[in-house]
Amino acid sequence: KQEVTQIPAALSVPEGENLVLNCSFTDSAIYNLQWFRQDPGKGLTSLLLIQSSQREQTSGRLNASLDKSSGRSTLYIAASQPGDSATYLCAVPKSSGDKLTFGTGTRLAVRP
Amino acid sequence: GAVVSQHPSRVICKSGTSVKIECRSLDFQATTMFWYRQFPKQSLMLMATSNEGSKATYEQGVEKDKFLINHASLTLSTLTVTSAHPEDSSFYICSARDTAGGTEAFFGQGTRLTVV
Repeated sequence: KQEVTQIPAALSVPEGENLVLNCSFTDSAIYNLQWFRQDPGKGLTSLLLIQSSQREQTSGRLNASLDKSSGRSTLYIAASQPGDSATYLCAVPKSSGDKLTFGTGTRLAVRP
Repeated sequence: GAVVSQHPSRVICKSGTSVKIECRSLDFQATTMFWYRQFPKQSLMLMATSNEGSKATYEQGVEKDKFLINHASLTLSTLTVTSAHPEDSSFYICSARDTAGGTEAFFGQGTRLTVV
C-alpha cells in the first residue's frame, strides 16, 4: 500500500525566503507526481505535474524535482510571498487514470 | 487548465436527511471521477471511484449504501449522503481527468457539509 509523507508538517518563514517542501513515497511504481495548493476551506489547485520519466518541472517561482528510485520529490519556492501561505499537498497515482494517494500536507505561513 | 465545478460549496442539513453533491467537468469529458473526503487539518482520503455508466468502486470502510454515487453522464457525477449524521460532517472534494488524454487531475472547489 502506497504511503506518502510530507515534511515538515508546518512551516513559518519571513517573506522573501527560499524554501523547500519535501514529499516521500514508499512505492516507487508511480505514474507521475502532482503538487497541489489548498487554501483554507477551498478545493485544490494543481501547481506542477512531473511525469515518472522526468526529473523536474518549473512554473514561475516554483520548481519541483522527482527522484523516483529513492521515492522523493521536493517543491522549491523561491522568494516566498505572503500570498504563498496555504497547505501544499503532493499526490501520486500508480497508473494513468488511477486514484491519487495524497501526502499528509505541509502548512506554509509566509510572514510579511 | 480544465475546470471541475462542484456544487454546493456549503450545505447545512439536519440529522437524518440526505444531501446531494454534484461534480461537473465543464470543458472535458470524464469517464472516471473520484470522490475524496477531508477532515480538519488532515489530508484527502479517497472514498470511491465513480465510473460512467457502471457501479462505483468504494474504498474499504466506506459504506456504499450511505454514500450513493451516480455517474450518469460523461460530465456529471453525484454523491448523495443518505441519512446524514453529525459524524458525516466533513469537506468533500471531487476530482476528474480528461478522458481524451492528459494525466493531470483537476479538482472541484469542495463542499463543506455540516450536519446538525
